[in-house]
Amino acid sequence: DAGITQSPRHKVTETGTPVTLRCHQTENHRYMYWYRQDPGHGLRLIHYSYGVKDTDKGEVSDGYSVSRSKTEDFLLTLESATSSQTSVYFCAISEAPPGPLGYGYTFGSGTRLTVV
Amino acid sequence: GESVGLHLPTLSVQEGDNSIINCAYSNSASDYFIWYKQESGKGPQFIIDIRSNMDKRQGQRVTVLLNKTVKHLSLQIAATQPGDSAVYFCAGIESGSARQLTFGSGTQLTVLP
Repeated sequence: DAGITQSPRHKVTETGTPVTLRCHQTENHRYMYWYRQDPGHGLRLIHYSYGVKDTDKGEVSDGYSVSRSKTEDFLLTLESATSSQTSVYFCAISEAPPGPLGYGYTFGSGTRLTVV
Repeated sequence: GESVGLHLPTLSVQEGDNSIINCAYSNSASDYFIWYKQESGKGPQFIIDIRSNMDKRQGQRVTVLLNKTVKHLSLQIAATQPGDSAVYFCAGIESGSARQLTFGSGTQLTVLP
C-alpha cells in the first residue's frame, strides 16, 4: 500500500506483556486511524489522530493507548495484552475527514497479532 | 450514530456474470459512502464512493446505487472475474462532529469458474 507501512506484520506475544504497533506514512496526511478487524465484527475503530499530539478514542479503546509525536508516525500500544486482543490491526490515513468532498481512507496492509 | 450492515455474508457468482452486493445503513443524515475491497491478507482498498446527492455512480466495471428512501446501497460488478474474489465492505459517515467512517461486516464474494 503506497505511502503507508505497518510494522511488524506478524507478532506473537504473551498475555500481560506490553505491545506496540507502528504505522508510518509518507503522504503527510493529517488524519490517522487504528482499527481492529475480527470475524463477524468488521472494522472497529480503536483510536484516531487529527494532528500531532491530537488523539481521541474510538469505539473499542479500552486496553489501548496511542501516541503521535510526528505527522508520519502513529503508535498503538496494548498496555497489557490479553487474549481478547488477538486480532488483525489496520492503520488508515486520510487527508481530511471523509465527506462529500471525498477523502476516503487509505489502509495499510495490517498487523496480525496473536496473544497467547 | 451510524450503523451499516451487509445483507449477505457470502455470495457466489459464475465468472462472467454480474454481481450485486447490498448494504443497508441507519443514519438518514449520512452524506457519503464508500465501497472497499479486501483481498486475503491485505488491507481494504477503495473501490468507489458516492455522495448522498447522487443516486448512481459508475466506475470501471463497477456501479454504486444509492436509494435514500430505503437507506440502501448496492455495488454492482459487471462481468465478474476471478480477481474480483474478495470481501467487500460498505462504509458510511458516522454522525457527529468527528465524521468517521463506520464499516459493515462485509460480504465474501467468490467467483466460480
